[in-house]
Amino acid sequence: DQQVKQNSPSLSVQEGRISILNCDYTNSMFDYFLWYKKYPAEGPTFLISISSIKDKNEDGRFTVFLNKSAKHLSLHIVPSQPGDSAVYFCAASAGSGNTPLVFGKGTRLSVIA
Amino acid sequence: KAGVTQTPRYLIKTRGQQVTLSCSPISGHRSVSWYQQTPGQGLQFLFEYFSETQRNKGNFPGRFSGRQFSNSRSEMNVSTLELGDSALYLCASSQDASNEKLFFGSGTQLSVL
Repeated sequence: DQQVKQNSPSLSVQEGRISILNCDYTNSMFDYFLWYKKYPAEGPTFLISISSIKDKNEDGRFTVFLNKSAKHLSLHIVPSQPGDSAVYFCAASAGSGNTPLVFGKGTRLSVIA
Repeated sequence: KAGVTQTPRYLIKTRGQQVTLSCSPISGHRSVSWYQQTPGQGLQFLFEYFSETQRNKGNFPGRFSGRQFSNSRSEMNVSTLELGDSALYLCASSQDASNEKLFFGSGTQLSVL
């Protein structure tokens, strides 16, 4: 039973445009959400996070939106750059981070110059 | 500060053998988590150690085990290897017991023939 779902395995976006990556979750106990980026042959690196008490968190070109009623979060990258091409994983945790992170299967983003 | 170091980077084993993977967390980090990544399956949680104690365990068979030493370094062991154990094994550390932000190593790519 997949608790964190990323339904789009891949996404292609033109350089300079907005990339929107989506994530849905089923466990209503999740209260902390993170996005990780992974390049080939490297481990995932933390990108941005959001607590369930917020509905938006911004860090430079990256913004994460959380819709608790829909159990949905999204990552917006504006403007997209070729260096953003990577696999993006959505992750969630319950108990304010005191339980293991549950990851989605990832979305491969390709930013085309 | 050095990042999370995993050794070896690549490993080839045959069915029935056992394997030990090593992880050195970031200096000062006391929590170490292990994840398995297979194509199309995202990151599956194996176990987490904090101050030498296993704090959480994922849904993997008993062939998968781990431990953490007093210097926070961790090892995971897989006995009686099966073809399906071929995967990228990722270790991540965090400063405290919270999983709010994990720092990942580059992983050990295990191939079972």
